[in-house]
Order: sequence, then C-alpha cells, then structure tokens
Amino acid sequence: EIVLTQSPATLSLSPGEGATLSCRASQNIGIYLAWYQQKPGQAPRLLIYDASNRATGIPARFSGGGSGTDFTLTISSLEPEDFAVYYCQQRSNWPLTFGGGTKVAIK
Amino acid sequence: QVQLVESGGGVVQPGASLRLSCAASGFAFPGYAMHWVRRAPGKGLEWVALIWYDGSKTYYTDSVTGRFIISRDNSKSTLYLQMNSLRVEDTAVYYCARDLHSRFCDYWGQGTLVTVSS
Repeated sequence: EIVLTQSPATLSLSPGEGATLSCRASQNIGIYLAWYQQKPGQAPRLLIYDASNRATGIPARFSGGGSGTDFTLTISSLEPEDFAVYYCQQRSNWPLTFGGGTKVAIK
Repeated sequence: QVQLVESGGGVVQPGASLRLSCAASGFAFPGYAMHWVRRAPGKGLEWVALIWYDGSKTYYTDSVTGRFIISRDNSKSTLYLQMNSLRVEDTAVYYCARDLHSRFCDYWGQGTLVTVSS
C-alpha cells in the first residue's frame, strides 16, 4: 500500500497570505495525485488531478506541482473560504489511498 | 446538475450488517465508475471501494475486503455498499463519489453516518 504523508498537519495563516502544502508518497507514483478540499459538514471537493490539472470551476489561485514522490498544493492568496482541510490522494496503485490531511487555519 | 444522495446509515451493533444506497441523477450513471469513501470521526478520508461502470470489476481497501460488497443497478442509477461483520472501527460518514474516468472523485454526495457500537 502506498502511504501518503502530508505536512504540515496544521498551517496557521491570514487571509491574503500564500500557502504551500506538501504531500510525500512512499514510492514513485508519477503524476497520479489529486488534491481535495473539505470544509466542516461538507463533502470533499476535487481541486487538482494528475498533479497539476485544475478541476472544473476551481479558481486559478490553486495550483499543483510535483511528480514521483513529492507534490505540492499552492494557494497563491488565501480567501476566507479557503480555510479548510486539504487531502491528497494517489491513483497509481491499488488500494487507492489518501493522505492524513493538512488543516489550513485562520491565524 | 450532478446529484448523489446516500441513505441507509444508522446505529448497529458489532457483527451486524447494513446496506448503504446512493441515488444518482443529473448524469449518465451507466457510463461512470463509482466509489465509496469514508471519514471516521476525528480522522481523515479513507477510500473504501470502487466499481467499474458496468459492474464487471470491483476493488476494495484491505480492511474491508471479504466483509463489504460494492454493487450497482444501472437501471435504477443506484450504487450500493453491503457491509457485513461490522466493526467499531467502521464507524464513519460514508460518501459515494463519481469517478473522473481516472480513479479520482469529481462529484461527491453529502454522506450517511454509520455508527457501530455496543
């Protein structure tokens, strides 16, 4: 099973600041990584797939990068609605797996 | 618009069975693979199972293999998860999600809560 390790566990930032979230895979997964956002009481929302492709309707302030074992999600300038938990997910191997999540909290 | 509505959650004792349903609308259900994903209280997301668009292939995470069965009825646009031999650690909100033809999930339901407790 591929283990995805997300860091940091919590990121405390102010609106307008930039955020960089990390996801590290236990083995090479190519570009087969997605990022999701989840807010309390809501379903997850797909942001990025195949490492760098924005999903439909996702603002340009969200960008993804990386390949192999190291990936990043960057939010260029945090909007109030961006404070949430973010998860990465790999589709390279069965079973599909998620990272443990990074909470982006208001400072 | 795409809609996914889960139902069937509830409180059961360890060892019991439960069947979850997910009613899909707003898209051509027979053309898409479908997932179940769960989130335990205070924990992160965990992928549970996937079924091919025609039901011909299924995949499971290790912890539910042999206990859970994913299935679908394309004539009713409905996805199912039969959960047997439930354990306390299966307590979670269960989400159904549509596959983006890529083993990523592009649309999600709001979830149904399953609580396994004695």
